[in-house]
Amino acid sequence: EAGVVQSPRYKIIEKKQPVAFWCNPISGHNTLYWYRQNLGQGPELLIRYENEEAVDDSQLPKDRFSAERLKGVDSTLKIQPAELGDSAVYLCASSLVAGGDEQFFGPGTRLTVL
Amino acid sequence: GENVEQHPSTLSVQEGDSAVIKCTYSDSASNYFPWYKQELGKRPQLIIDIRSNVGEKKDQRIAVTLNKTAKHFSLHITETQPEDSAVYFCAARNSGGYQKVTFGTGTKLQVIP
Repeated sequence: EAGVVQSPRYKIIEKKQPVAFWCNPISGHNTLYWYRQNLGQGPELLIRYENEEAVDDSQLPKDRFSAERLKGVDSTLKIQPAELGDSAVYLCASSLVAGGDEQFFGPGTRLTVL
Repeated sequence: GENVEQHPSTLSVQEGDSAVIKCTYSDSASNYFPWYKQELGKRPQLIIDIRSNVGEKKDQRIAVTLNKTAKHFSLHITETQPEDSAVYFCAARNSGGYQKVTFGTGTKLQVIP
């Protein structure tokens, strides 16, 4: 069974440029999470989807970040415009059901903003 | 919101010794506590978890204990091996509508052969 897939794995951009990350969760997993992980820190939740509905986006900086999961399967996280402080690893995770115990993480996208 | 503190931030042990990582949480409504292992450059993976109605859980060389009254939980690794070297994250999930998982800051464990 394929795990959570993310692309790209690495992205280097200049500040003020836009960037997008893509995630395909494990087949059948209804819940999808986007996390940001700064160096030496634990993952911080940005947004969580139950199917196509964003049920917790309280930590998403809405002035520059947006996300969508239109068909309740794969998801895109966008930053526009990117700032230096956005450099981090962006992790996508999925779980089988709402509040499901185990979250399966993708490999992450390492973003560097110059 | 929930605040999870994790100690120590780094831990070095000799192969074969035990390692203990401790976490505290602030939200008494939290009811699920997973531990994730993240090897260098890889994704976090669940290694063990415990629910609030259980005080201890063991899986081979790994055990987790929970003290609800004190709001702290610990990861115990016995007979450590070099492949245990990684960053370990504790987490707490609240029982409210969002069931949000809050992660600790991580412990970098180094097992010295």
